Amino acid sequence: GQNIDQPTEMTATEGAIVQINCTYQTSGFYGLFWFQQHAGEAPTFLSYNVLDGLEEKGRFSSFLSRSKGYSYLLLKELQMKDSASYLCASHGSNYQLIWGAGTKLIIKP
Amino acid sequence: NAGVTQTPKFRILKIGQSMTLQCAQDMNHNYMYWYRQDPGMGLKLIYYSVGAGITDKGEVPNGYNVSRSTTEDFPLRLELAAPSQTSVYFCASSEGGLNTGELFFGEGSRLTVL
Repeated sequence: GQNIDQPTEMTATEGAIVQINCTYQTSGFYGLFWFQQHAGEAPTFLSYNVLDGLEEKGRFSSFLSRSKGYSYLLLKELQMKDSASYLCASHGSNYQLIWGAGTKLIIKP
Repeated sequence: NAGVTQTPKFRILKIGQSMTLQCAQDMNHNYMYWYRQDPGMGLKLIYYSVGAGITDKGEVPNGYNVSRSTTEDFPLRLELAAPSQTSVYFCASSEGGLNTGELFFGEGSRLTVL
């Protein structure tokens, strides 16, 4: 089957670090995306992982383990503007993404 | 560049009415996609296109139709609107397929069917 799981909601403190996990089962898995979505807005691209390991982009990093069907998004030095939903999406084909329901991240001062 | 532009942003339809959601991109992307997003659920692919004149069904195509007469435009047609089609619709594009690791979204069209 094809499935993606991620926590529904997480809470963190401004300035702290948070890790959002995503597990997937995707036939013919090729790669995994992370998107950020603020309430009432469109998803915006954060990262794309194909190979195992950690990719760092400023305050955001994304990790992939193909053998474990596991990814995480790491957000450092949290800011209030990071309050949003974070969407994990995997794909095997070149056109079909399997989307998680999203993790709502709440940042507290 | 405007990126991906969707119109209208909001619309209320009565049951049985028809309408077209417009999507245009100015990045000369070959791949275009239509998704719907329902509260608490992941995005679902309705239709996609790999180039002008080529379209194909996604996961949830029933009740919808698309066309791709030009590279730029990918309209989504709703025939005989039903309450189950109340959702937020997103159009997206990429130069190649998902293997290129890019996907650009429009701002979304919020549709309510009463």
